[in-house]
Amino acid sequence: KAGVTQTPRYLIKTRGQQVTLSCSPISGHRSVSWYQQTPGQGLQFLFEYFSETQRNKGNFPGRFSGRQFSNSRSEMNVSTLELGDSALYLCASSLGTGAMDTEAFFGQGTRLTVV
Amino acid sequence: AQTVTQSQPEMSVQEAETVTLSCTYDTSESDYYLFWYKQPPSRQMILVIRQEAYKQQNATENRFSVNFQKAAKSFSLKISDSQLGDAAMYFCASGMRFGAGTRLTVKP
Repeated sequence: KAGVTQTPRYLIKTRGQQVTLSCSPISGHRSVSWYQQTPGQGLQFLFEYFSETQRNKGNFPGRFSGRQFSNSRSEMNVSTLELGDSALYLCASSLGTGAMDTEAFFGQGTRLTVV
Repeated sequence: AQTVTQSQPEMSVQEAETVTLSCTYDTSESDYYLFWYKQPPSRQMILVIRQEAYKQQNATENRFSVNFQKAAKSFSLKISDSQLGDAAMYFCASGMRFGAGTRLTVKP
């Protein structure tokens, strides 16, 4: 079956703009989590959506938001982009059983560059 | 909330030797899974090994094994007979929460 698909793969935006990233999970997976990966900060948790509801949220400013649709596809939005938002954004999908999830499946990420 | 801590930002190992990556975690769940993921330079994250907390026996997958100490909330990864292809970032995870990662270098 198809894996996790993230679009676009690469993106260049200007400071102050906004951006929307998309993630299509594996069929049957109801949970989608988003992460920001930077060389200095490692992998940081943004938020998790389960059945169209935000179930968990990391420590990021309100400029970072997301949503999940009824087909489990998820979008992440960043408004008023800052240079420090340049990063690899990873999406992961899972069945959504929380602590008993047996594996998270990752997309290849969206590389966002803010200039 | 779940937290995962990897205290070794970088590790280095000689080819064919053994290396252990450390991880501690915190969770309020009574049963849960723990994971080690590998992220090679291609950036595609792949599962290396998982351990169900309810099971006392340490998980093993070929050259990869874990040392799971539930009471201490410790979950280390041992890589035996290290190969050049093992060079990557390694992430420990509890549920969907990940540690900051350990960059493993393998020297020929």
